[in-house]
Amino acid sequence: EAGVAQSPRYKIIEKRQSVAFWCNPISGHATLYWYQQILGQGPKLLIQFQNNGVVDDSQLPKDRFSAERLKGVDSTLKIQPAKLEDSAVYLCASSYRDPGAFFGQGTRLTVV
Amino acid sequence: KQEVTQIPAALSVPEGENLVLNCSFTDSAIYNLQWFRQDPGKGLTSLLLIQSSQREQTSGRLNASLDKSSGRSTLYIAASQPGDSATYLCAVEIDYKLSFGAGTTVTVRA
Repeated sequence: EAGVAQSPRYKIIEKRQSVAFWCNPISGHATLYWYQQILGQGPKLLIQFQNNGVVDDSQLPKDRFSAERLKGVDSTLKIQPAKLEDSAVYLCASSYRDPGAFFGQGTRLTVV
Repeated sequence: KQEVTQIPAALSVPEGENLVLNCSFTDSAIYNLQWFRQDPGKGLTSLLLIQSSQREQTSGRLNASLDKSSGRSTLYIAASQPGDSATYLCAVEIDYKLSFGAGTTVTVRA
């Protein structure tokens, strides 16, 4: 069974530029999550999808972050414009009916 | 709001010593608790998952216990090895959402 795929693995951008991350969850997993992990901290939930609908985006900075999940499968997370404090690892995870979530390798974003 | 705390933040032990990692949470109405391992620059690898009706789970040298009433979980790693060096994160699930602690960074010295 293939795991959660994320790309790119690394990205360096200047502040005020835009960036997009892509996630392909495990096949058949209806729930998809995006987490932000700042160095030295635990992951923080940004947005949760159930199929292609948003379940929770209460911690998503909507003035600069957006996310979509087309056809209930792949998802993209976008930041526009980026700030220095957005430097972090962005983790995608998916789950189905069984308990527990499966995580991708993450995208490390550095904003300079 | 669920708060998850992991103590200590860092731990260094000689090879062969047993590891004890602690996790506490404020809301006991959890669905399950999951322990993850994170290597530098990598994603999260699930180690053990304890459902709310269970008291412990074991996998090889790893054993995790859960006491919902006191809001605590402990991860035991027996006979530590240098390859166990990593950051260990615990996460509690409520309403299909995971809340994470900040992790314990473990260094096992050869």
